[in-house]
Amino acid sequence: GENVEQHPSTLSVQEGDSAVIKCTYSDSASNYFPWYKQELGKRPQLIIDIRSNVGEKKDQRIAVTLNKTAKHFSLHITETQPEDSAVYFCAASIAGGGNKLTFGTGTQLKVEL
Amino acid sequence: NAGVTQTPKFRILKIGQSMTLQCTQDMNHNYMYWYRQDPGMGLKLIYYSVGAGITDKGEVPNGYNVSRSTTEDFPLRLELAAPSQTSVYFCASSQTGENEQYFGPGTRLTVT
Repeated sequence: GENVEQHPSTLSVQEGDSAVIKCTYSDSASNYFPWYKQELGKRPQLIIDIRSNVGEKKDQRIAVTLNKTAKHFSLHITETQPEDSAVYFCAASIAGGGNKLTFGTGTQLKVEL
Repeated sequence: NAGVTQTPKFRILKIGQSMTLQCTQDMNHNYMYWYRQDPGMGLKLIYYSVGAGITDKGEVPNGYNVSRSTTEDFPLRLELAAPSQTSVYFCASSQTGENEQYFGPGTRLTVT
């Protein structure tokens, strides 16, 4: 089955700096890669996703890049703000095959003032 | 729309007891999922359903059962609860197998 590894497990940045979280996946058939943000005690919420037919996607301060050959994808957050502090999860799945998400173990992002 | 709702929010079970976690969505989504999240970990898929009457196992199905008699509801049954089932359980739904999954607020379960 699919295996997703995520690094780092914790990340501390100064407000205004950029943050990068990296994930690798094992199943070359995976074609859908969402990123979820989870605040303490809350449900995961989708912040951005990418499909295997594109290499990069942006949404304001958030971007995701995908390298299918190397089987890794990354989340980039620019101009970080205190409200970006949360746990971020990457995931991978085969869209159209039940879309069963396999999650990484999460990155605790702390944005310091 | 209420989206995905789950009940109860919290529950404490004794070892060997049984219970059903309820999940309902009002978005007419075909796909529904149950995940568990252990402390400090990512979510793991327990069971999923691609439509009423159709269910299949995920990564960690042992100790659980599901049914899908309607599009809206996808209950998760725990039989003979064990301490290893202490976790937060999230239900999710999506319109198709290629869309965003929307998560419910979760049920925090403790088995002692």
